[in-house]
Amino acid sequence: GQSLEQPSEVTAVEGAIVQINCTYQTSGFYGLSWYQQHDGGAPTFLSYNALDGLEETGRFSSFLSRSDSYGYLLLQELQMKDSASYFCAVKDYGQNFVFGPGTRLSVLP
Amino acid sequence: AAGVIQSPRHLIKEKRETATLKCYPIPRHDTVYWYQQGPGQDPQFLISFYEKMQSDKGSIPDRFSAQQFSDYHSELNMSSLELGDSALYFCASSLTSMVDEQFFGPGTRLTVL
Repeated sequence: GQSLEQPSEVTAVEGAIVQINCTYQTSGFYGLSWYQQHDGGAPTFLSYNALDGLEETGRFSSFLSRSDSYGYLLLQELQMKDSASYFCAVKDYGQNFVFGPGTRLSVLP
Repeated sequence: AAGVIQSPRHLIKEKRETATLKCYPIPRHDTVYWYQQGPGQDPQFLISFYEKMQSDKGSIPDRFSAQQFSDYHSELNMSSLELGDSALYFCASSLTSMVDEQFFGPGTRLTVL
């Protein structure tokens, strides 16, 4: 089975850079995804890492290291609208989709 | 751009009643997923369908069933509702089952009294 761990809360100021970590215990998975969810809203896809390394999409970057069982989401030039919950997620070889517990990011002015 | 449509957006039921949630995926998306999200919780994967066939099964209770129809819309049927079934139910779709990017609908908020 899968077990994903994320920090429960992160706080940063506008314009700063923040890194949200995701560590996992898994018997195998296809790739690591990241989703953003605002309060009362639906999750929206941010990025996906099938291979080790860094994927960059605008202000957001995501990193995966399978050997370290570790990934992270990096948010640059933080804006107030980035305040939301961020989930890492995997699809394991058992064909289950598993989301992490989520990290609530608060961006302060 | 077209998005995933879910209906109804809100639903209130009594214990032991049944409920049916509907999902209309993005056109040309052949894979549909259902998730349950409790307050302050992460989304829990319930079940998915690819080309109208059940493909993967997660933590879906036996009281729940789902299917995908010829027009690719999907329905989640929930029977013998319990208080603990109160949650936000999301449907998501993807272009194929091999694509990881899922597009989520706005969700159906189910309240069981």
